[in-house]
Amino acid sequence: AQTVTQSQPEMSVQEAETVTLSCTYDTSESDYYLFWYKQPPSRQMILVIRQEAYKQQNATENRFSVNFQKAAKSFSLKISDSQLGDAAMYFCAYYRNAGNMLTFGGGTRLMVKP
Amino acid sequence: DAGITQSPRHKVTETGTPVTLRCHQTENHRYMYWYRQDPGHGLRLIHYSYGVKDTDKGEVSDGYSVSRSKTEDFLLTLESATSSQTSVYFCAISDLAGRPYNEQFFGPGTRLTVL
Repeated sequence: AQTVTQSQPEMSVQEAETVTLSCTYDTSESDYYLFWYKQPPSRQMILVIRQEAYKQQNATENRFSVNFQKAAKSFSLKISDSQLGDAAMYFCAYYRNAGNMLTFGGGTRLMVKP
Repeated sequence: DAGITQSPRHKVTETGTPVTLRCHQTENHRYMYWYRQDPGHGLRLIHYSYGVKDTDKGEVSDGYSVSRSKTEDFLLTLESATSSQTSVYFCAISDLAGRPYNEQFFGPGTRLTVL
């Protein structure tokens, strides 16, 4: 079974600074997707960014970017120019087409200091 | 936003009572899922459905049953609620049609407390 590990239960960052959230996963598959979801206090799950395993180029969405290291099975999220609205729980998730199932990490709570 | 609603949004119940949570979608998506969220565990899949009357177990299915008699509704039932089932429950929907992968869209969640 696939496992996803987020080793940082909590992180904090100063407003306008950059922070990186870590995620590692375990799989024997070659065709899969990786995601970062944001969950603000409203509890709504919001997709932040996704990475296809077959793509070598790291995904970027505005202030959010990933560092995808396939051989190391590492998938970190970098948030640049942090804003107060970035404060939330962040979940790393793994998906493989064959199984049609998402596997989530335990989450990292990000606090943004003004 | 995907049209997904969950009812009720909050519920407090007693140990041993039956509880049914409802997920309703207006997107005509084929797949529907029930997850539970607990501190330190992220979201874990309970059951999912790949069509009307077609369901399968997920990672943490013990103590739960599901039913899907219509495309738009997916029910999660706790036959006899226990305190360990106190959690936040999320419904999600997805469909492969026209997409490179089965992206899941999440409902707003239901907070269930079993006393």
